[in-house]
Amino acid sequence: EIVLTQSPATLSLSPGERATLSCRASQSISSYLAWYQQKPGQAPRLLIYDASYRATGIPARFSGSGSGTDFTLTISNLEPEDFAVYFCQQRSNWPLTFGGGTNVEIK
Amino acid sequence: QVQLVESGGGVVQPGRSLRLSCAASGFTFSSYSMHWARQAPGKGLEWVAVMSYDGSKEYGDSMKGRFTISRDNSKNTLYLQMNSLRVEDTAMYYCARDAYGGNGFDPWGQGTLVTVSS
Repeated sequence: EIVLTQSPATLSLSPGERATLSCRASQSISSYLAWYQQKPGQAPRLLIYDASYRATGIPARFSGSGSGTDFTLTISNLEPEDFAVYFCQQRSNWPLTFGGGTNVEIK
Repeated sequence: QVQLVESGGGVVQPGRSLRLSCAASGFTFSSYSMHWARQAPGKGLEWVAVMSYDGSKEYGDSMKGRFTISRDNSKNTLYLQMNSLRVEDTAMYYCARDAYGGNGFDPWGQGTLVTVSS
């Protein structure tokens, strides 16, 4: 099973700042990585697929990068609605797996 | 618009069974692979199973042999039969559509809560 390790566990930032979230895979997954946002009481929402492609309707301040084992989700200029938990997920191998999440909280 | 609505959750005793349903609308259900994922209270996400549009199935390791995914394309509905339930199966269960050629889950349903407790 491919293990995805997200860091940091919690990121405390102010609106307008830049958030940089990391996801590291236990083995190479090429670019087969997605990122999701989840707010309290809601289902996850797809942000990024194939490491760097924004899903439909996702604002341009969200960007993804990386390949192999190291991936980054960047949120430039944090908006109040961006404070949430973010998960990465790989589709390279069965079983599909998720990272443990990064909580982006208001400082 | 694309919509997924789960149902069938509830409180069940350890060792018992439960069947979840996911009603899909707003897209050609038979053309998409469909997933189940779950989230224990206050925890992260765990992928449960997928059934592809061609009928193939894959499962998470802790679900193999206990859970069965199925679908009825005539009813636009995805199912998850859960047998021999354990306390650790307590979670919100979500169905989700495969998206972008298998490169993500989009959208997700609102979830149905399963509580396994004596």
